Amino acid sequence: QSVLTQPPSVSGAPGQRVTISCTGNTSDIGAIYDVHWYQQLPGTAPKLLIYGDINRPSGVPDRFSGSRSGTSASLAISGLQTEDEADYYCQSYDTSLSPRVLFGGGTRLTVL
Amino acid sequence: EVQLVESGGGLVQPGGSLRLSCAASGFRFSSFWMGWVRQAPGKGLEWVSNIKEDGSERYFVDSVRGRCAISRDNAKNSLDMQMNSLRAEDTAVYYCVRVRKWRLYDRYLDLWGRGTLVTVPT
Repeated sequence: QSVLTQPPSVSGAPGQRVTISCTGNTSDIGAIYDVHWYQQLPGTAPKLLIYGDINRPSGVPDRFSGSRSGTSASLAISGLQTEDEADYYCQSYDTSLSPRVLFGGGTRLTVL
Repeated sequence: EVQLVESGGGLVQPGGSLRLSCAASGFRFSSFWMGWVRQAPGKGLEWVSNIKEDGSERYFVDSVRGRCAISRDNAKNSLDMQMNSLRAEDTAVYYCVRVRKWRLYDRYLDLWGRGTLVTVPT
C-alpha cells in the first residue's frame, strides 16, 4: 500500500484536460517536501515530468503542469493527445525516520 | 550521451544472491546521489535504496534492509547492488536512477536506466 494516494485511473478524450491527484500527509507532502511527477509510457522506463511541484524539465511540453496545496498535489494535462496514454506517478520524500523516497500507487491515463 | 545502463538481472532461486550493476556515462557521476527503484510485474514503483556521492550514507526500504548492500565506484562510474536471501516478492524490474537534491532536504529522480529484470520463482 502506497503512502501517497492516487486514483487508479483517469480518462479523457483528445483535446480535453484531465487532472491527477496525489494526497499525502503532514510528514511528507504537507511538510517541507515538494511533489515530483513521472510519466511511464507502456513498456518503457519512467521519465521525470515535473519536479518541485511546478517545474518542467527541458523537453516536457507546457501542456503538463503541476500544483500543490497543503497535503495534496495535482498534475494537469491539457490538450490531451493519444501519446499521453501512460502511467503517472507522484513522488515525495520523508526524513521523519530514515530518509526515504515515497511513490504514489500510480494512475493509468486512458485517452478515449 | 547521458545514460544509465543496468546489468546483472536474471533468474535466481529463493534464498539465492544476485549482483546488479549500473554503468553511468555522460555526466559527472561522483557529483550525484544514486539509487535503485524497482517495479514488480504489473505493479507500481517502489524505491529500494540510495547512496550518497562519496558512499558515506546509504539508505534502504525496510523490506530489503539487511539483505541488500549498495555500493559505488566513482573511478569507474559504476553503481552496484548486492542482493542476498532473495524472495519471490523481490521479483521486479530494477531501475538505476540518478538522484537530484532539491532545496535543502528534498530529492527527486531525474535520470532512469531501462531496467534489468530479476526473477525469483515461488
